[in-house]
Amino acid sequence: GAGVSQTPSNKVTEKGKYVELRCDPISGHTALYWYRQSLGQGPEFLIYFQGTGAADDSGLPNDRFFAVRPEGSVSTLKIQRTERGDSAVYLCASSQNRDGRTNEKLFFGSGTQLSVL
Amino acid sequence: AQTVTQSQPEMSVQEAETVTLSCTYDTSESDYYLFWYKQPPSRQMILVIRQEAYKQQNATENRFSVNFQKAAKSFSLKISDSQLGDAAMYFCAYRSASTGNQFYFGTGTSLTVIP
Repeated sequence: GAGVSQTPSNKVTEKGKYVELRCDPISGHTALYWYRQSLGQGPEFLIYFQGTGAADDSGLPNDRFFAVRPEGSVSTLKIQRTERGDSAVYLCASSQNRDGRTNEKLFFGSGTQLSVL
Repeated sequence: AQTVTQSQPEMSVQEAETVTLSCTYDTSESDYYLFWYKQPPSRQMILVIRQEAYKQQNATENRFSVNFQKAAKSFSLKISDSQLGDAAMYFCAYRSASTGNQFYFGTGTSLTVIP
């Protein structure tokens, strides 16, 4: 597609429920990032994919968070047993891989606002 | 981990005037990239300008320019001839050129443009 697409735009759930957030990156971009942005803060890194594999998942806060990218394109961020503290905007970004090295320019989606009641 | 600090939570500027947003960062690396991103209410982060640390010349993109002071670890953004559409959150970001793929963001500056 023309840009990074994230769905849903907004998600309201109850504490303890399971949610999935989807990211469709720019076609041809091999690098994909997930970031979390809490109210009044800058984006915080969660996980980075290069192709189908998670090259760096050091930002995932705990084992309730998991992300997949099975075919190297669309990615899904999964959150189990949601807590009120998980409420935030979840941003996805993608980037090209040039000369075997990830391009430093990120293209972001509009994010998913997750609200846990 | 690298840290990025934006000490101005809010700034305002009169339309057509110039405003400077501040950013400092902490790193022991010599090769890295610095960015300014704009986030309007639509939430989509948009790249405003980028600077490679090995370049001494300050980056410029139309009305946007930076003052990159490597020794001082300072990276300020100057917006000239401010327009109403410039109103947004602005985030400064750092990325290592060699170690890892994480981008580190500051806490942002909310810019208001007064007509």
